[in-house]
Amino acid sequence: AQSVTQPDIHITVSEGASLELRCNYSYGATPYLFWYVQSPGQGLQLLLKYFSGDTLVQGIKGFEAEFKRSQSSFNLRKPSVHWSDAAEYFCAVGNDYKLSFGAGTTVTVRA
Amino acid sequence: DGGITQSPKYLFRKEGQNVTLSCEQNLNHDAMYWYRQDPGQGLRLIYYSQIVNDFQKGDIAEGYSVSREKKESFPLTVTSAQKNPTAFYLCASSASRGGGNQPQHFGDGTRLSIL
Repeated sequence: AQSVTQPDIHITVSEGASLELRCNYSYGATPYLFWYVQSPGQGLQLLLKYFSGDTLVQGIKGFEAEFKRSQSSFNLRKPSVHWSDAAEYFCAVGNDYKLSFGAGTTVTVRA
Repeated sequence: DGGITQSPKYLFRKEGQNVTLSCEQNLNHDAMYWYRQDPGQGLRLIYYSQIVNDFQKGDIAEGYSVSREKKESFPLTVTSAQKNPTAFYLCASSASRGGGNQPQHFGDGTRLSIL
């Protein structure tokens, strides 16, 4: 069975600093990997996805993620955080039938 | 603009009552999904439908029912058998079958509470 672990429940970062959110997955085959962002009381918005090919993928809002098969990881990064990046972030792994989500990481941005 | 519309945004249920959450999409997507979100637990799949008139149970289907009579619509009924229905419910869709191998588009959710 597939599963996703996001080790950090909550991260606080200063505006302008870099951000890295960790994601580890468990899946037997080549995974489909996603990062979503959720603002309070809203639905989820897709930031980026990895299906195959280049292991460094670029997404919207200046985010990128790197797929490392040897570490079963798909960490999300942003070089310089803006106050509007405060939200909850979800990593997800998919097979042909469904997505499985991590528990999420809440990001707080301090001025 | 194309998207997914969930209604109502807030819903209250009395004991022993069934309530229905609406989900409509105008993206012309084949597949639709219902998730339940509880604090600290991420999203859990309740039901999904890959084509009209067909749907499958997800990981936590007990106490819920769905129908898919039209491509655009995938309503979720929370029955009185669901003993802990308080949660945030999210509807999603994807362009074609294969729920995990393509992006899903989400509505803005319905928050259900017990009176």
